[in-house]
Amino acid sequence: KAGVTQTPRYLIKTRGQQVTLSCSPISGHRSVSWYQQTPGQGLQFLFEYFSETQRNKGNFPGRFSGRQFSNSRSEMNVSTLELGDSALYLCASSLETGFGYEQYFGPGTRLTVT
Amino acid sequence: GENVEQHPSTLSVQEGDSAVIKCTYSDSASNYFPWYKQELGKRPQLIIDIRSNVGEKKDQRIAVTLNKTAKHFSLHITETQPEDSAVYFCAASTTSGTYKYIFGTGTRLKVLA
Repeated sequence: KAGVTQTPRYLIKTRGQQVTLSCSPISGHRSVSWYQQTPGQGLQFLFEYFSETQRNKGNFPGRFSGRQFSNSRSEMNVSTLELGDSALYLCASSLETGFGYEQYFGPGTRLTVT
Repeated sequence: GENVEQHPSTLSVQEGDSAVIKCTYSDSASNYFPWYKQELGKRPQLIIDIRSNVGEKKDQRIAVTLNKTAKHFSLHITETQPEDSAVYFCAASTTSGTYKYIFGTGTRLKVLA
């Protein structure tokens, strides 16, 4: 099976702009989670989608939003970009099982805000 | 709120020695504990995981132990090799109600040849 893919891989934006990142999960996986990774903060949970519904959200401002489509592909959007939004954005997909579930990460989108 | 503490933040060992990384979680409802390895410029890769109904799991040179009472789990790497050098992340998750992972802050392991 193909792994998790993310597009674009690299992005440079200026403050105040908005950006949309895309994630395609492993075929058959219905859950997609998004994370922000920065050197000082590690992996911070943004939100998780399952069957087009956001099931959980991390402690990020409302400028960060997401959605999931019927084919399980997911997008996240960041509006009014700030310098501090520069980070590696990772998505991960999982096949929900009844007791614990394994997440598989995509390669990430490196966002630079200038 | 939920929290996972990971120690140490950096660890240097000689090739062939063992390495131990420890994590402590706060949410008693956590029942799944994966470990990820992230090499420079690459995505995190799942290397081993353990569920709350098991106390220990081993896969070749890697093992994970879980102490539910103490809310503590550890990664053990034996006979370390230079290719083990990477950042390792622990995580805790619960499948009851909320579906999310809480990650530790990572341990940079350097294996010296």
